[in-house]
Amino acid sequence: DAGVIQSPRHEVTEMGQEVTLRCKPISGHDYLFWYRQTMMRGLELLIYFNNNVPIDDSGMPEDRFSAKMPNASFSTLKIQPSEPRDSAVYFCASSSPQGAGHYGYTFGSGTRLTVV
Amino acid sequence: KQEVTQIPAALSVPEGENLVLNCSFTDSAIYNLQWFRQDPGKGLTSLLLIQSSQREQTSGRLNASLDKSSGRSTLYIAASQPGDSATYLCAVRDSGNTPLVFGKGTRLSVIA
Repeated sequence: DAGVIQSPRHEVTEMGQEVTLRCKPISGHDYLFWYRQTMMRGLELLIYFNNNVPIDDSGMPEDRFSAKMPNASFSTLKIQPSEPRDSAVYFCASSSPQGAGHYGYTFGSGTRLTVV
Repeated sequence: KQEVTQIPAALSVPEGENLVLNCSFTDSAIYNLQWFRQDPGKGLTSLLLIQSSQREQTSGRLNASLDKSSGRSTLYIAASQPGDSATYLCAVRDSGNTPLVFGKGTRLSVIA
């Protein structure tokens, strides 16, 4: 198993541009989470999905942020338009299904976003 | 709303020392607790997962304990090594259907 795969690893973009982050969860995991990490605020949950359906997006900071999960093997987090304060590391994580006896998370390596 | 606190925020110890990292959470009705390690510029690696019915979990030189009633968990690292230097994060899950809530971590430096 290749684990949770995120792309790109690094993204540098100019303010106002659209940014799309991608995530491929572990096969068979039915929960997918998007987190943002900054020095000041630590790890913050942005949104999570269960069986491809968004469950809670209350952590999405503004309407500029949107996330989709069109199928069980792919999710995107989009920022449009991007702003310098969006600079952070964005992590995707997936979690194993109920009844499997283990509810631990597996994290991707993250996307370091810099908006200049 | 669940809140997770980790103390201290940073810790520096000489190589070979045994050490304890602390984690506390405000709502004791948790489903499980997970300890992660994060190296600088890297993602999170799961170290130990403790279900609510368990009191501790061990992996090599690491031992994590859970006291739900007091809202506390500790991560014990035996015979610390410079390679243990990293940030250690504690996170709790209130139910099987809810996301992990993270503490801000303890940054550990083990000095050779």
